[in-house]
Amino acid sequence: NAGVTQTPKFQVLKTGQSMTLQCAQDMNHNSMYWYRQDPGMGLRLIYYSASEGTTDKGEVPNGYNVSRLNKREFSLRLESAAPSQTSVYFCASTRSQGWDEQFFGPGTRLTVL
Amino acid sequence: DQQVKQNSPSLSVQEGRISILNCDYTNSMFDYFLWYKKYPAEGPTFLISISSIKDKNEDGRFTVFLNKSAKHLSLHIVPSQPGDSAVYFCAASGNQFYFGTGTSLTVIP
Repeated sequence: NAGVTQTPKFQVLKTGQSMTLQCAQDMNHNSMYWYRQDPGMGLRLIYYSASEGTTDKGEVPNGYNVSRLNKREFSLRLESAAPSQTSVYFCASTRSQGWDEQFFGPGTRLTVL
Repeated sequence: DQQVKQNSPSLSVQEGRISILNCDYTNSMFDYFLWYKKYPAEGPTFLISISSIKDKNEDGRFTVFLNKSAKHLSLHIVPSQPGDSAVYFCAASGNQFYFGTGTSLTVIP
């Protein structure tokens, strides 16, 4: 039981490049989330998926897109990366659609030059 | 606009003493509060939670107190251990989760 896994662990992009961050959970959770963590800012919600087939914007969605591929997988895409998107990205999941205890992945450290 | 605030970026405590981490929030509609612990290069892990209908929840060495009138919650760790050294985030839920900026706790052996 791996919990929540994220790939890649590290990534360096040039401004304007695109990439997709992958997230998968094996706990049969319904809801999944993407956060970014910046120094002095805590964790901020980018997008979430309350259930398979649905996605909603969080606090800071601009510059990102998401896909809930199936119940297990939730990806985050940067279409045209900007230096302001340099951050650590965390994926999380919860059992229910409500705001339950979240299980987090280990994070992806992204640097945009 | 930060809806959940942790005003102390860091805290140092001697082993065996009490650690008190504080958190303030602005939205009276928040109905569920959680504390997470985070080690470097790892994701946050859930520690303890409290519903807005309660004012205290205890789990072993960890106790969370909620003062709704003051919009304040605190996490007490007694006794503190060196393994408790980590960054602690409080979070509040309404229509979505809002996290504080974190407090880095160092427990000195």
